[in-house]
Amino acid sequence: GNSVTQMEGPVTLSEEAFLTINCTYTATGYPSLFWYVQYPGEGLQLLLKATKADDKGSNKGFEATYRKETTSFHLEKGSVQVSDSAVYFCAAYGGATNKLIFGTGTLLAVQP
Amino acid sequence: DGGITQSPKYLFRKEGQNVTLSCEQNLNHDAMYWYRQDPGQGLRLIYYSQIVNDFQKGDIAEGYSVSREKKESFPLTVTSAQKNPTAFYLCASSPPWGDSNQPQHFGDGTRLSIL
Repeated sequence: GNSVTQMEGPVTLSEEAFLTINCTYTATGYPSLFWYVQYPGEGLQLLLKATKADDKGSNKGFEATYRKETTSFHLEKGSVQVSDSAVYFCAAYGGATNKLIFGTGTLLAVQP
Repeated sequence: DGGITQSPKYLFRKEGQNVTLSCEQNLNHDAMYWYRQDPGQGLRLIYYSQIVNDFQKGDIAEGYSVSREKKESFPLTVTSAQKNPTAFYLCASSPPWGDSNQPQHFGDGTRLSIL
């Protein structure tokens, strides 16, 4: 079945630093890939998505590119802000299971 | 604005008691889902429903029950058989089941604790 592995946190950065959160997946077929963000005490919000190889999803300065050759979907942002502090989840949907499979989440803490 | 409403935000349960978590959506979505979130873990699927009057067990259905009598509502009951119910519960919905291009939309969650 599908599985998603993302880097463990917490990730602590200073404001305006460059962010990378790694995400890799295993799947039969070609799943759609998503990044969700969870702010404290809230549900998950879709941040960005990519549905086929080489697609780049982008939103609010965040980007991730669907890399079939490395089965990766790393999340990047050039300059983080304190307001970006949250938990970020990578997820894969489709393939054999037809379910949305989540990584364990990565806590990002941005300090002023 | 359309969205998913979960209530209550916080819920306390006594040992041996059943409790029901509410989830309502006005997005006109066919599919609805319940997830459980524990610290340091990803979301795990409890139950899902593709259409009214139909639902399927997810990966951790034991100790839980659901109903789907209306398109907009998908309540989750945590029964006394669930031995470790303390967690954050998230409800989600999506337009059709099986469309990998359609992301799931989430409510703000219910935090359940045992007294």
